[in-house]
Amino acid sequence: GNSVTQMEGPVTLSEEAFLTINCTYTATGYPSLFWYVQYPGEGLQLLLKATKADDKGSNKGFEATYRKETTSFHLEKGSVQVSDSAVYFCALSTTSGSARQLTFGSGTQLTVLP
Amino acid sequence: EAGVTQFPSHSVIEKGQTVTLRCDPISGHDNLYWYRRVMGKEIKFLLHFVKESKQDESGMPNNRFLAERTGGTYSTLKVQPAELEDSGVYFCASSQDGVNNEQFFGPGTRLTVL
Repeated sequence: GNSVTQMEGPVTLSEEAFLTINCTYTATGYPSLFWYVQYPGEGLQLLLKATKADDKGSNKGFEATYRKETTSFHLEKGSVQVSDSAVYFCALSTTSGSARQLTFGSGTQLTVLP
Repeated sequence: EAGVTQFPSHSVIEKGQTVTLRCDPISGHDNLYWYRRVMGKEIKFLLHFVKESKQDESGMPNNRFLAERTGGTYSTLKVQPAELEDSGVYFCASSQDGVNNEQFFGPGTRLTVL
């Protein structure tokens, strides 16, 4: 079956530090890959996505590249801000019938200190 | 435009009691999904509605869980009777199209079973 393994947290960084959150996946076929973010008290928001190998998703300074050869989709940001403190979830989807089910990793809590 | 809303935000009940969670999707979204996150682990798919029909309920853990979406608008998820292991955060998501469109998530309902 499908699965997502992501770096366990919590992760604590100082403002302007470099961020990497590792994510690897197992899936049949050619999944789409996502990073979702959950800010305190809010729902999950789509941060970025990539739908095929070598695609790079980017948003708000965050980037992730779909690496089929290593089955990875690591999240990176060059300079984090306090406002980036949140829980980050890596996810994949495969089409099942007419639906796009999401399979999530366990989430990584990020805290950025001023 | 209002996002996905969930009610209540938090529910504390005793083992053996019944709880009903509600989700109001974004207006016009035919697809509605339920997910849950137990004990800080990965978010797992529970089921998917297309309008009022259950498209996929392969993730429902057992027959103590009953989901409905009468009239194809809001959905309810009833747990009866609740057990300790049902504690977690229950997320609802909706999308306009089941395959290509982004799923928009609600803030979740935190369920605590004592």
